[in-house]
Amino acid sequence: DGGITQSPKYLFRKEGQNVTLSCEQNLNHDAMYWYRQDPGQGLRLIYYSQIVNDFQKGDIAEGYSVSREKKESFPLTVTSAQKNPTAFYLCASSRGQLNSPLHFGNGTRLTVT
Amino acid sequence: AQSVTQLGSHVSVSEGALVLLRCNYSSSVPPYLFWYVQYPNQGLQLLLKYTTGATLVKGINGFEAEFKKSETSFHLTKPSAHMSDAAEYFCAVSLTGTASKLTFGTGTRLQVTL
Repeated sequence: DGGITQSPKYLFRKEGQNVTLSCEQNLNHDAMYWYRQDPGQGLRLIYYSQIVNDFQKGDIAEGYSVSREKKESFPLTVTSAQKNPTAFYLCASSRGQLNSPLHFGNGTRLTVT
Repeated sequence: AQSVTQLGSHVSVSEGALVLLRCNYSSSVPPYLFWYVQYPNQGLQLLLKYTTGATLVKGINGFEAEFKKSETSFHLTKPSAHMSDAAEYFCAVSLTGTASKLTFGTGTRLQVTL
């Protein structure tokens, strides 16, 4: 079955360390997205990519970086510059066309201490 | 600019009772509206969407929503709640129809009791 795989499900890091979250899709979707979810808040867009080798900042890109070297993969790096990195991170993809729905992975819960 | 407000962060209903989750939006142009559901420790799944045309939209799992322009609302309903409906529900709005411009509400957690 096609879908989006995020790994790992839980991730623990010490403050000051960079950490990379994996996101792989086999839906043949052009567009991919990273969201951050905090308790009591909606999803906030970190970065998105509509095509390979191109990506744009979302609403809260500071302290994060991404790459899109392959259509299937869109890894997110949480850098030490991110002041409050502990959160639930969701990766999504879509066909990129008008009104195309988002398909989500099951998320990675990052805890930084 | 666009925004979306979900009234009630927690809603509790009895099994078999009507489910009503409220969503109001603010938009300067006709919006595209979505409802997503999130089960614990999982990603979001699309329930239904309104783009153009019929204002009553039917989705998966027996849910439906009605776009009311005069009230700037897109409330989600289900006639009879089931225990499996317990989850968090997110309303989202986009002015352009593109996911990169999607604004999510803060979510409503639905509890279903026996």
